[in-house]
Amino acid sequence: GAVVSQHPSWVICKSGTSVKIECRSLDFQATTMFWYRQFPKQSLMLMATSNEGSKATYEQGVEKDKFLINHASLTLSTLTVTSAHPEDSSFYICSAEKGGGSYEQYFGPGTRLTVT
Amino acid sequence: AQSVTQPDIHITVSEGASLELRCNYSYGATPYLFWYVQSPGQGLQLLLKYFSGDTLVQGIKGFEAEFKRSQSSFNLRKPSVHWSDAAEYFCAVGRNNAGNMLTFGGGTRLMVKP
Repeated sequence: GAVVSQHPSWVICKSGTSVKIECRSLDFQATTMFWYRQFPKQSLMLMATSNEGSKATYEQGVEKDKFLINHASLTLSTLTVTSAHPEDSSFYICSAEKGGGSYEQYFGPGTRLTVT
Repeated sequence: AQSVTQPDIHITVSEGASLELRCNYSYGATPYLFWYVQSPGQGLQLLLKYFSGDTLVQGIKGFEAEFKRSQSSFNLRKPSVHWSDAAEYFCAVGRNNAGNMLTFGGGTRLMVKP
């Protein structure tokens, strides 16, 4: 149990366009979902935290108008990269937490975004 | 702000040999500590975690980790490495009032020689 999926697994888009990435918890309800960014051969950097039905909380330095997060239900969160530029190319990873104080996050496989 | 350091970027061990991956954190209180493994094409998987209590914690896949407050360390160990353990390993610390807000270390890539 505790499977998290992401769609798409990879996407190539042109500079100036927007891209939406979906994160779904398949077999549990996620009280909180997280979005991370991972640069090649580097660690994960937390971008934002979202709870169902409320606005996302962004980490310092993350542009909330560029990285739009919507947490429409207890099983779905989306990240939209707006007006993408080549520097937005990265590996985006989501995770979901069941709640209950376990602090255990279940991670999706990631989405590779390439902006040309 | 808390920080996590994994001093070893790459480690190569022979199959069957023991393994220790180092993790040092900078944090004022007792931290929430985690070890995750990342394999290509798969999401990060939690190996083990430490919140309080017994400082030696057992995890999945035969891994264990020991919390040493005096050294600000949470090193991951395995007595006998298998080829399937080759992956990227991340140590992470949760924030004081939100143990699920994670700061990750830089990662250690483990390679296993046959």
